[in-house]
Amino acid sequence: DAGITQSPRYKITETGRQVTLMCHQTWSHSYMFWYRQDLGHGLRLIYYSAAADITDKGEVPDGYVVSRSKTENFPLTLESATRSQTSVYFCASSDLFYRSRGGVQYFGPGTRLTVT
Amino acid sequence: GENVEQHPSTLSVQEGDSAVIKCTYSDSASNYFPWYKQELGKRPQLIIDIRSNVGEKKDQRIAVTLNKTAKHFSLHITETQPEDSAVYFCAARDYGGSQGNLIFGKGTKLSVKP
Repeated sequence: DAGITQSPRYKITETGRQVTLMCHQTWSHSYMFWYRQDLGHGLRLIYYSAAADITDKGEVPDGYVVSRSKTENFPLTLESATRSQTSVYFCASSDLFYRSRGGVQYFGPGTRLTVT
Repeated sequence: GENVEQHPSTLSVQEGDSAVIKCTYSDSASNYFPWYKQELGKRPQLIIDIRSNVGEKKDQRIAVTLNKTAKHFSLHITETQPEDSAVYFCAARDYGGSQGNLIFGKGTKLSVKP
């Protein structure tokens, strides 16, 4: 589990500010994901990436931007934070067999974001 | 797209009893069904998974069953212990060349009373 980390673990920001959540994995996994977790909604996919420089939208991408210049990093940016983006954000990664065999997703410890 | 429904949303059992959580999915092409356990304040962690070519899989006190015809799968925990208390998530996806990602159910909060 120490192979995937997130920072910061807790963040309070104001409406309209830009905030970036960091995700770093040491397994050289091909796939990385960002989820948000809200009561009553479970885990919802925001964006995912199949490899460096390849990203794609998930179920709830509006208001978020991602990049992946290096395999090990997958930052998530809220360009102008809104109160509805208050949530717990989880990063996850999976190996290259994710597409062909199912592939286990390993989750980071999460970032609790509060937008005031 | 895929839709996963999970029931019940909360489940309370006495220590030593069995617990069953059920999920249904909508996409008949889905072929991979993992279950994740999330303890309070922690990350989700995979506890067991099943692929569509298998009807049942066991790992000590936990088991998962899959009914492809009815499009539902279930998690069974026997001889429950207080440390089984957590939120459990089911998920489904279609792997093997499609664009499908994991779609999660909304979770079941399991409480095991000593």
